[in-house]
Amino acid sequence: QTVVTQEPSFSVSPGGTVTLTCGLSSGSVSTSYYPSWYQQTPGQAPRTLIYNTNTRSSGVPDRFSGSILGNKAALTITGAQADDESDYYCVLYMGSGIWVFGGGTKLTVL
Amino acid sequence: EVQLVESGGVVAQPGGSLRLSCAASGFTFADCAMHWVRQAPGKGLEWVSLISWGGGSTSYADSVKGRFTISRDNSKNSLYLQMNSLRAEDTALYYCAKSRTSSVNSQPDYWGQGTLVTVSS
Repeated sequence: QTVVTQEPSFSVSPGGTVTLTCGLSSGSVSTSYYPSWYQQTPGQAPRTLIYNTNTRSSGVPDRFSGSILGNKAALTITGAQADDESDYYCVLYMGSGIWVFGGGTKLTVL
Repeated sequence: EVQLVESGGVVAQPGGSLRLSCAASGFTFADCAMHWVRQAPGKGLEWVSLISWGGGSTSYADSVKGRFTISRDNSKNSLYLQMNSLRAEDTALYYCAKSRTSSVNSQPDYWGQGTLVTVSS
C-alpha cells in the first residue's frame, strides 16, 4: 500500500503559525483523497479537526484550517496555543474503501 | 450525544481468535459506514477496516486482510471485528469510529475510547 508521509515532529512558538503537511510516497495529494486531520492528546481518543480537505469539524476553532499546498494536504494552525501541543494525524482515501493514516506529527508549543 | 463503546479486548495467544464489539448510540447507526482503527502502544494510528452502512461492502488493510472480518448488526446498533490468526503485532488499542456519511469514502468522524488487545504467550 501507498505510504502517507508526515513530518515526525514540529515546534511552534506560542502565538505563532505552523503548517503540517500530509503527502504520498508516490504521487500528489488532491481533494479526491478526501484528506482529514485529527488531533490526539496522550490517553485520549482522536478528535476530528478537518475533513474533506478544508471543512472544520463542529466546534473546532477557526485558527485551524486545511488546504492543498503544492502536492500535499496541509493543516495550518494560526496563533498556536499551549493546548495545541498534541499529535496530529492525517488520513487519505485510496479508493475501494481503503484509508491510510500518516505516521503522525508531534507538535511542540514552546 | 454520540456514544461508541468498544468491548472484547483481552490478552490472547498468538494464533488465537478474538471478537471485538462496538455498541453505538446517539445517532442513526444504519445511516453510517463504520471503521475500526488501531493504535499500537506508543505508535501512530493504523486504519484497519471499514463496512458500508448496510454491510454489503467491506474493506481491509493489507496487514489484516484474510485474518480479520468486520460485520455489523443494524438491529442491535452494533459493530464487530472478528480477529483470527492473531499475531504479536496485532497488539493495540482498537477504536471503533463512525463515518460522517453512509459512503465508503467517508472518513472516521467520531471515535470511541478503544479496547485493548494484547497478543502474547
